[in-house]
Amino acid sequence: DQQVKQNSPSLSVQEGRISILNCDYTNSMFDYFLWYKKYPAEGPTFLISISSIKDKNEDGRFTVFLNKSAKHLSLHIVPSQPGDSAVYFCAANRDSNYQLIWGAGTKLIIKP
Amino acid sequence: EAGVTQFPSHSVIEKGQTVTLRCDPISGHDNLYWYRRVMGKEIKFLLHFVKESKQDESGMPNNRFLAERTGGTYSTLKVQPAELEDSGVYFCASSQGAGIHGYTFGSGTRLTVV
Repeated sequence: DQQVKQNSPSLSVQEGRISILNCDYTNSMFDYFLWYKKYPAEGPTFLISISSIKDKNEDGRFTVFLNKSAKHLSLHIVPSQPGDSAVYFCAANRDSNYQLIWGAGTKLIIKP
Repeated sequence: EAGVTQFPSHSVIEKGQTVTLRCDPISGHDNLYWYRRVMGKEIKFLLHFVKESKQDESGMPNNRFLAERTGGTYSTLKVQPAELEDSGVYFCASSQGAGIHGYTFGSGTRLTVV
């Protein structure tokens, strides 16, 4: 039973436009959410996170929005750049447990 | 500072054989984690070491998988005997302190069982 879902396997966006990656979760006990970025043949690298007590966190071109009532979060990248082409994973955590629960990832392709 | 290093980067073995994956965490990181991603699916937790002790091994699929971290430094993950469904990318990560904010991942070992 998958607790974190990324329903779009891939997304193609024009360079300079906004990229929106979505993530849904089922466990209301999750209290911390993270986004990781992964290039081919590399491990995931941390991108941005958000606590469940917030509904928005911003870091440069990256903003994560959390809608707890809908159990939904999204990552916005503005403006999208060619180097943003990668697989993006959504992950969730509960009670500062060491274990992360991951989605299946969304492959973002930025077109020039 | 050297990152998390994993060996080998790719391994192809026949069903029934044994494979050992190695992870060298960042020096000084007490916490070491193993995760696995089966083709196109979510990344799944396997286990967590604190120094040489297994803190949580709830994600280990079955007793064909054995993880060790002797001396609290590098870790090995042995699969014996390997089955076709063990194919995937095995990631190791380490962190210095408590919590999940400071994970650093290695590049992974791609295991193919044929």
